Amino acid sequence: NAGVTQTPKFQVLKTGQSMTLQCAQDMNHNSMYWYRQDPGMGLRLIYYSASEGTTDKGEVPNGYNVSRLNKREFSLRLESAAPSQTSVYFCASRKGTVTDTQYFGPGTRLTVL
Amino acid sequence: QKEVEQNSGPLSVPEGAIASLNCTYSDRGSQSFFWYRQYSGKSPELIMFIYSNGDKEDGRFTAQLNKASQYVSLLIRDSQPSDSATYLCAVNMDSNYQLIWGAGTKLIIKP
Repeated sequence: NAGVTQTPKFQVLKTGQSMTLQCAQDMNHNSMYWYRQDPGMGLRLIYYSASEGTTDKGEVPNGYNVSRLNKREFSLRLESAAPSQTSVYFCASRKGTVTDTQYFGPGTRLTVL
Repeated sequence: QKEVEQNSGPLSVPEGAIASLNCTYSDRGSQSFFWYRQYSGKSPELIMFIYSNGDKEDGRFTAQLNKASQYVSLLIRDSQPSDSATYLCAVNMDSNYQLIWGAGTKLIIKP
């Protein structure tokens, strides 16, 4: 099992460019999450998908869109990147109940110039 | 506003001593509580979870939950330099699918 995989690992964008961060899990989990983590701060939820076919906003959704492509895959899109979106992005998945653990991917380090 | 609070540290502990990390949360109805460890430049990894009041032990780690006082703690016995990391507390505050995260406590184990 690969667990949770993310691509790319690193990315540099110019202001206004767009990109999609990819996430996939092979644990047959129902719920998937996108977080950002800024230096010295905890994880902030951008969007989540409680189950295939549903997505919901988290704490900081502005400037982002998501797609739950199927049960395995959950992508995050930046339509017009801004320097404030420079961060480390983590994808996570969870089987689905409140007692279940979230498992994280390795992260994508994004810099917007 | 649902919040999870942690002292940011750094918390410096001598090797071999007990490290004590604390976390408080705002929602009295919270159901499940998680401790994650995050090494610099890496993703968070689960150390322990706890659902019931009291202590839960796993090797050198003990999680303590006190729902009446709304705090959860993590004790690390016989601290090792490899325990140096940031420890994140996460709480499931209601029946939805989100975890609320603390900002983390940086722990430094001095040889």
